[in-house]
Amino acid sequence: GENVEQHPSTLSVQEGDSAVIKCTYSDSASNYFPWYKQELGKRPQLIIDIRSNVGEKKDQRIAVTLNKTAKHFSLHITETQPEDSAVYFCARGSNSGYALNFGKGTSLLVTP
Amino acid sequence: SQTIHQWPATLVQPVGSPLSLECTVEGTSNPNLYWYRQAAGRGLQLLFYSVGIGQISSEVPQNLSASRPQDRQFILSSKKLLLSDSGFYLCAWSPTSGGGELFFGEGSRLTVL
Repeated sequence: GENVEQHPSTLSVQEGDSAVIKCTYSDSASNYFPWYKQELGKRPQLIIDIRSNVGEKKDQRIAVTLNKTAKHFSLHITETQPEDSAVYFCARGSNSGYALNFGKGTSLLVTP
Repeated sequence: SQTIHQWPATLVQPVGSPLSLECTVEGTSNPNLYWYRQAAGRGLQLLFYSVGIGQISSEVPQNLSASRPQDRQFILSSKKLLLSDSGFYLCAWSPTSGGGELFFGEGSRLTVL
C-alpha cells in the first residue's frame, strides 16, 4: 500500500552525537522521498529530499540515504545541536503523483 | 514569491456546530492544494487534495468536505463537528506539475468540546 513506517517514534541523544531515523515503504512505484521538520506548534518544513535515481544526498549536517531494493530510506543528523530538537517526518510521493504520504513522525530531543 | 495563508489559527467549537477553515495561496497559478490533519501525537493524514477548480479528491471518509471555489482558494468544512475532529489542520500547496515538495500553511488548531 501507500503507508510509510517510521522508526523510532522518540529519540533522545546528547548534543554532538548523531541521530538516525529510518523509514520503510512497500510500493516500488515511489520515486520521491522528502524529510520534514516540525518545531512545536509550527508548520512542517522541508529539510532535505531525495529522488529514486540517487542513493545519497547531503546538506551540511544532514544526509539522506535511499535503498530502493530494500525499500527504506534514512535521515542522518551529525553533530546534533539543541535546536535540532523537533518532530521529523519522512514521506513518499503518493500513487496519485500529487500528495505525500507521511510517516507518523519521530520526536527528537537533543540534550545539552 | 509564493505565500500561503490559512485561518483561523485557533478555534474552539462545540460538538455539532459547523466548521469552515479557509486557505489561500498567492504568487502562483493553478497550484495543487491539500488539506492534512494532524491529531495529537500522530502523523500527517491526507484529507483532501485538488488539482483544479471544482476538482476534489477525498482520501478518508468522514464528516468533512472540501471545496475549491477559486484557483487559489481551498476551504475545509463540516456541517456537524464531532469530538474526533479535534486536531491541527494544515493546508498545503505544490506546483502544478506535482511530484515534489509541499509547502504548508501555518495551521489551524481546532478543539471540539
